[in-house]
Amino acid sequence: TQLLEQSPQFLSIQEGENLTVYCNSSSVFSSLQWYRQEPGEGPVLLVTVVTGGEVKKLKRLTFQFGDARKDSSLHITAAQPGDTGLYLCAGAWGFGNEKLTFGTGTRLTIIP
Amino acid sequence: NAGVTQTPKFRVLKTGQSMTLLCAQDMNHEYMYWYRQDPGMGLRLIHYSVGEGTTAKGEVPDGYNVSRLKKQNFLLGLESAAPSQTSVYFCASSYSRVMNTEAFFGQGTRLTVV
Repeated sequence: TQLLEQSPQFLSIQEGENLTVYCNSSSVFSSLQWYRQEPGEGPVLLVTVVTGGEVKKLKRLTFQFGDARKDSSLHITAAQPGDTGLYLCAGAWGFGNEKLTFGTGTRLTIIP
Repeated sequence: NAGVTQTPKFRVLKTGQSMTLLCAQDMNHEYMYWYRQDPGMGLRLIHYSVGEGTTAKGEVPDGYNVSRLKKQNFLLGLESAAPSQTSVYFCASSYSRVMNTEAFFGQGTRLTVV
């Protein structure tokens, strides 16, 4: 079973600050996805990274896939209350969406 | 614009009771999935389906059964509920099985087994 550890588990910061959350594994993944989940809702896909070292930006969010494809990070610049939520990473370890391993999640709270 | 709809949204069961969770999608997706989400453990795949009439086991299938009689519906059954099945259940669907295809999730069903 592939494992994905996310850190920190909880993070509470003031509006306007920057933050980084991490997703780490001892396994190599062919691709990695990041989701955001709001209370009472299902996860919503933010981005997919495929190539080792790849960096993708989504407005104030920057996603990076590690060179060895074992880890990833999500950096948020100038956090806003709307960024509050549970951030999940999911690594693909084979062909087919059923071969996705989800991380344990980082619960982010942005204080106005 | 419904997307993926799960019913019911909340349910309390007594140990040993049975129930069925319904997932319906209106996007004509071939692939559907059932996950459970537990604190500190992320989402874990229970069963999935790659098309009408087909189902397959995921990571944690024990104690659950599924059926996909119609393309738009994917049912998850608990024959004899146990407290360990207390969880939030999510259904998802995708149009392709190709890696990185976006999966669309329902709003979840919070199940408590007492």
